[in-house]
Amino acid sequence: AQSVTQLGSHVSVSEGALVLLRCNYSSSVPPYLFWYVQYPNQGLQLLLKYTTGATLVKGINGFEAEFKKSETSFHLTKPSAHMSDAAEYFCAVSGNTGGFKTIFGAGTRLFVKA
Amino acid sequence: NAGVMQNPRHLVRRRGQEARLRCSPMKGHSHVYWYRQLPEEGLKFMVYLQKENIIDESGMPKERFSAEFPKEGPSILRIQQVVRGDSAAYFCASSPRAGGGMNEQFFGPGTRLTVL
Repeated sequence: AQSVTQLGSHVSVSEGALVLLRCNYSSSVPPYLFWYVQYPNQGLQLLLKYTTGATLVKGINGFEAEFKKSETSFHLTKPSAHMSDAAEYFCAVSGNTGGFKTIFGAGTRLFVKA
Repeated sequence: NAGVMQNPRHLVRRRGQEARLRCSPMKGHSHVYWYRQLPEEGLKFMVYLQKENIIDESGMPKERFSAEFPKEGPSILRIQQVVRGDSAAYFCASSPRAGGGMNEQFFGPGTRLTVL
């Protein structure tokens, strides 16, 4: 079985500050990991994903995430927050064992203060 | 290339009525997923379909909910005899291949169902 835990349902940062959104996963098979962003009244959009290979993954809008197997984590970071980054962020996990589900975390809402 | 399309975007129903939500996947995508999002909650998987086949419906409530993806036309999520607890945003996603793996899912804008 797979699961995702996002620590902190709400995170607030100042514009220009570091963004750190935490995600821990549980998976009995090598995981595929994703971060999606959701702007108000819109669907989800892929930020980045980890499948295999390099554990530091770069995505759109300056975001990156690092897969740490020993910590079962896939935290999302951005060096400098912008007002336009205010949105809800979802971490997700899937596997390659033939299961079809992608399991989503509960989401973290990011607020950016001027 | 149009993205995933969902209609209607907003749907209001009274208790006991039926709700039909439509999803047209991206061109070339033959895999469709439905999710439900309740306020302040993440997305909950409901069902995964390929053309004319339900592959995984483990997230679907046992009663009143059904889904189809016919050979022609959009995928339909049908909710019979709606109750207030069905009020939520319903998202459809599609992928070109099975999504239980490394492939990204492309999401539609969602249908927001309100049950009065």
